[in-house]
Amino acid sequence: ETGVTQTPRHLVMGMTNKKSLKCEQHLGHNAMYWYKQSAKKPLELMFVYNFKEQTENNSVPSRFSPECPNSSHLFLHLHTLQPEDSALYLCASSLTRGGSGGPLHFGNGTRLTVT
Amino acid sequence: TQLLEQSPQFLSIQEGENLTVYCNSSSVFSSLQWYRQEPGEGPVLLVTVVTGGEVKKLKRLTFQFGDARKDSSLHITAAQPGDTGLYLCADPSGGSQGNLIFGKGTKLSVKP
Repeated sequence: ETGVTQTPRHLVMGMTNKKSLKCEQHLGHNAMYWYKQSAKKPLELMFVYNFKEQTENNSVPSRFSPECPNSSHLFLHLHTLQPEDSALYLCASSLTRGGSGGPLHFGNGTRLTVT
Repeated sequence: TQLLEQSPQFLSIQEGENLTVYCNSSSVFSSLQWYRQEPGEGPVLLVTVVTGGEVKKLKRLTFQFGDARKDSSLHITAAQPGDTGLYLCADPSGGSQGNLIFGKGTKLSVKP
């Protein structure tokens, strides 16, 4: 049990589909993050939310749309993805935003395959 | 944004062997975190080192922070199959807006 739960664990979708990834944390944290993990690349920060407000969009294409309805829940809405978007998508949380906000607690990720 | 170089990229060893993996940067770290990501799971924080020259031990894992705070190493003694995973170093203040940035990691495989 990591304290951060991601669903689904695996997702296969076509390029014309619309799907959503869900992340939930009950650690009392105020910052939540989406990371993309691809082979041979460092973990890439996609979005940061602090107290439900988006504080960073790291030049992510608009086919990825985040939503943070409250400090405990984070979604990543996906539409018209490309095969190169296939990756492990990790959600994380920390007490507050930024490296000084405490260590990151990660979920186990959603393995996304775009066909 | 600072770049973190980790080496080696891959390491495959037999159970019982010792190993060291490295994390380097051209810039000074304010502090450094080490995470381990086991297959099928998310990264989990192992340790944070803050002071130059600092050594921290976690059972069979020894973490060292360089005197100049530009490098760090992780030494595992008598590796076990349960040590298999991706070892990531991260700079808590290395990214834009002070966000955490990660190295590419060292993928360790310990064979029984």
